[in-house]
This record gives sequence, C-alpha cells and structure tokens, in this order.
Amino acid sequence: GDSVTQMEGPVTLSEEAFLTINCTYTATGYPSLFWYVQYPGEGLQLLLKATKADDKGSNKGFEATYRKETTSFHLEKGSVQVSDSAVYFCALSVTHGSSNTGKLIFGQGTTLQVKP
Amino acid sequence: DVKVTQSSRYLVKRTGEKVFLECVQDMDHENMFWYRQDPGLGLRLIYFSYDVKMKEKGDIPEGYSVSREKKERFSLILESASTNQTSMYLCASSLWAGTGNTEAFFGQGTRLTVV
Repeated sequence: GDSVTQMEGPVTLSEEAFLTINCTYTATGYPSLFWYVQYPGEGLQLLLKATKADDKGSNKGFEATYRKETTSFHLEKGSVQVSDSAVYFCALSVTHGSSNTGKLIFGQGTTLQVKP
Repeated sequence: DVKVTQSSRYLVKRTGEKVFLECVQDMDHENMFWYRQDPGLGLRLIYFSYDVKMKEKGDIPEGYSVSREKKERFSLILESASTNQTSMYLCASSLWAGTGNTEAFFGQGTRLTVV
C-alpha cells in the first residue's frame, strides 16, 4: 500500500547549520507530496508541496524536490534558526476510488531542535 | 483564511464514557478527516468523509465512529472510551481531489486523556 518513511529524529543542529530531513515514499499512481510543520502546542500547517515529478516546493527558506526516480522528497534548508524548532511531517496524497478523496498519508515525523 | 476549529483543546474522560469530538470548517471543503497523533507513529487516519453522510474507514477505525450531517461539521465518536484511546486527535479538511488541490488544513488538535 501507499506509505511514507522519514528519517528518525530527533535532529539537533546549531543555528545557521544546514538541514536535511530525508523522506521516501511508496505509492500507486501519481501522488502529490507535502511537508507539514507542527510547532509546539499547535496543529499542523502546510510548509510546502509539489504535485508532479521534478517540481520544487519552497517556503520560508525550506525546499524539497519531487524525485520520481528515487521516490524521494527530502526537505532542506541552508541555514536553520532557533524558530525552526518543530516537528516536520512528510506526506503524500493519492486519489483513490470513486470517492476521489485524496486522503493524506503521513510519515512518523521528525523532531528538529535548533540550539543558539 | 481557512479555519478548522475543534471544539476542545483538552478533554479528560472516564473509561467507558461515550465521547464526542467536534470539528467545524468554514471553507466549504468537501473532504474532512480525523487523525490521531501518537509519538513515534506520526498521524494515523481514523475516518474520512468526502460528502455529507458519506464516510470511509481509515487505517485504525476500531472503537470509533463518525457523523457528518452537515458539510461543515464532522464529529468523531468514541463509543466506549478506553485508556488506549488517550491521544492527540487532529481534524483536517480539504477540497475534493478532482480540483487537483489536495492540501489539507488542520485544526489545533484535541488532547484527550482517558482515565
């Protein structure tokens, strides 16, 4: 079935360090891919997305490229800040069946802690 | 701005109680979802609904039911709460996938403790 695998955390970095969080997926059909972020005590919010192969999603200095050949969607940021400390979720959406719902399937989440 | 509102941030219920978690969205979205979030397990889909009165089971529906009588409201029901249902519950909504835009918007979450 469809699934998402993220690198295990927690990831601890110093401010201004380079960030990579790995994400790979398995899906039938042609999924859309997402990164969501959850700040402490809050719900999830969309960070970026890509809807087809070779698309690059970007937002707030974060980037991820949809790589169909490696079934990956790794999240990167060139210089992290303390305010980036949060839990990051990779997710995919594939349309199934007559309901055409496009439900989201999530990875297990990666906790990022950035120290000053 | 899209708004998804969950009725409670924190709930404490007793084992065996019937529990209702309410979710309302204000963007006329067709799809609504209930997830539970547990450490190390990410978000797991309990139920989803793609239209009024329509529902489908997700990955972990056992012990739960749902109700969608109006387009904007999606309720999660724990028929007889048990301690293993202590968790964070997240509601989300999105447009119909035929639009090509399946981005989901989430509520703040309800942290349920069953004692």
